Amino acid sequence: AQSVTQPDIHITVSEGASLELRCNYSYGATPYLFWYVQSPGQGLQLLLKYFSGDTLVQGIKGFEAEFKRSQSSFNLRKPSVHWSDAAEYFCAVGSPNSWGKFQFGAGTQVVVTP
Amino acid sequence: EADIYQTPRYLVIGTGKKITLECSQTMGHDKMYWYQQDPGMELHLIHYSYGVNSTEKGDLSSESTVSRIRTEHFPLTLESARPSHTSQYLCASSQPQLNYGYTFGSGTRLTVV
Repeated sequence: AQSVTQPDIHITVSEGASLELRCNYSYGATPYLFWYVQSPGQGLQLLLKYFSGDTLVQGIKGFEAEFKRSQSSFNLRKPSVHWSDAAEYFCAVGSPNSWGKFQFGAGTQVVVTP
Repeated sequence: EADIYQTPRYLVIGTGKKITLECSQTMGHDKMYWYQQDPGMELHLIHYSYGVNSTEKGDLSSESTVSRIRTEHFPLTLESARPSHTSQYLCASSQPQLNYGYTFGSGTRLTVV
């Protein structure tokens, strides 16, 4: 069965500093990997995704993520954080065999300080 | 702009009441899903549908039921609400190609008192 772990429940970062959110997955084959962001009181918005090809993927809002098969990781990064990046971030994994049922991590809450 | 709509956004209701959470999408997606979200917890799939007249229970047991009479509409019903049903409910839909991911609605935050 596939699973997703986000080791960091909460991260505080200064505005302008870099951000990296960790995501580890467990799955036998190459999964579909996603990062979503959720602002307070809102649904989840897709930031970026990986399913094949270049292991470094670019997303919206200046985010990027790198798929590392050897480490079963799909970490999300942003070089310079803006106050509007304060939100909760979810990593998700799916596969062609999961019939569209994605597994989500528990999320990482990002707080941005001035 | 949202292509998937959930109503109501917030609902406070008494124990024992019957409630229906609405979810509609305008994208023509066949696949639709209901997730339950609690603070600090992963999202749990409670129901999904692959098309009209197709509904399945998800990984998390839920006392709710769903229906899919029209492609665009996927309502969730609780026949008798209880405080344990207090949670946020997220509706999502997806294209047939799974690598596009989900489109989520804004969610319904349900409080049962």
